[in-house]
Amino acid sequence: AQTVTQSQPEMSVQEAETVTLSCTYDTSESDYYLFWYKQPPSRQMILVIRQEAYKQQNATENRFSVNFQKAAKSFSLKISDSQLGDAAMYFCAYSYTGTASKLTFGTGTRLQVTL
Amino acid sequence: DTGVSQDPRHKITKRGQNVTFRCDPISEHNRLYWYRQTLGQGPEFLTYFQNEAQLEKSRLLSDRFSAERPKGSFSTLEIQRTEQGDSAMYLCASRPDKNTEAFFGQGTRLTVV
Repeated sequence: AQTVTQSQPEMSVQEAETVTLSCTYDTSESDYYLFWYKQPPSRQMILVIRQEAYKQQNATENRFSVNFQKAAKSFSLKISDSQLGDAAMYFCAYSYTGTASKLTFGTGTRLQVTL
Repeated sequence: DTGVSQDPRHKITKRGQNVTFRCDPISEHNRLYWYRQTLGQGPEFLTYFQNEAQLEKSRLLSDRFSAERPKGSFSTLEIQRTEQGDSAMYLCASRPDKNTEAFFGQGTRLTVV
């Protein structure tokens, strides 16, 4: 069974600084996708960034980038120039290319952004 | 608003009662998922529909749970004889194709007292 582990329950970053959220996963599949989702308080979950396992190049979306290490099964999220609006729960998720392609989530990291 | 819509947003029920939640996915998204999220945890997969067919169910989905998606449009999740352990946020998500972005609704928060 696939598992996703986020070992940082909470992280804090000062506004304009950079923070990295960690994620490791376990799978025997070779073709899969990894995601970072953001869940602001009382609001719906939204996709931050997505990485296809077959791509060696790390995905980037504006201030968000990932460090994907396939051999190590590691998928960290770097947030640059942190903003107050980045404060939220961040979930790492895995999906393989099966019929359902359901998402398997980690337990989340709560990110606080301070002035 | 063309996002995923869930109703109700909050539900308080007494133990033993039946409850039903509704999810309206984004139009033309043929894949629909239900997840359950308890406090301090990430969402856990419950069930998956492709159009009107329920193609996968988690072992978390006991026989007190039933889900439908008639005509491949909206979906309902019913919990019979609710228990306190059913208290959670129930999330619905839809996507147009596998491994594309999944769009989530705001969820239905169920409290069983």
